[in-house]
Amino acid sequence: QKEVEQDPGPLSVPEGAIVSLNCTYSNSAFQYFMWYRQYSRKGPELLMYTYSSGNKEDGRFTAQVDKSSKYISLFIRDSQPSDSATYLCAMSANFNKFYFGSGTKLNVKP
Amino acid sequence: EADIYQTPRYLVIGTGKKITLECSQTMGHDKMYWYQQDPGMELHLIHYSYGVNSTEKGDLSSESTVSRIRTEHFPLTLESARPSHTSQYLCASSELHNSYEQYFGPGTRLTVT
Repeated sequence: QKEVEQDPGPLSVPEGAIVSLNCTYSNSAFQYFMWYRQYSRKGPELLMYTYSSGNKEDGRFTAQVDKSSKYISLFIRDSQPSDSATYLCAMSANFNKFYFGSGTKLNVKP
Repeated sequence: EADIYQTPRYLVIGTGKKITLECSQTMGHDKMYWYQQDPGMELHLIHYSYGVNSTEKGDLSSESTVSRIRTEHFPLTLESARPSHTSQYLCASSELHNSYEQYFGPGTRLTVT
């Protein structure tokens, strides 16, 4: 069983839509949760970081963690064509090792 | 933009050759990582390091080796390349204690024929 499950998409939405990206995980020891964005032919870059359960907002982006359900989400409001990328969730129990999802490819159409 | 560099960006090589993928960072980060990424698959951690003279194996079984003689340099070596090694290799670095933010290089796309 994979440590982290993520729907690969692709997800295609019109500009201005609200986007919801999700991951589930199996290891209850995970307490650090990250979202990375990866553009084509580039390495991933950190978008959001959350510790334990709860919500975190940064501009148009909101990260949610529900540890009881082992479920994390990233919401993008007012999506823009420049948001078109692959979004990877990542998580860790103790910062020694990190476990990444396979990524969801998002396409925002103008 | 992150100051972490990988060379070469693309490499096509024959079976049995020895190859070294280079990774350097100028941020003074103690932790460095090597990941393997195949299309549609999750990043798999193959090696990591806490600092000079420290190397650890990740969860993905790998026939590669790494060394960390200098803080800024973390090369990955394959002694005898095989077609099964064909993949994208990503190098990353982070601070030792706030390692939730990893800075990734652009990757090396390796093809073994």
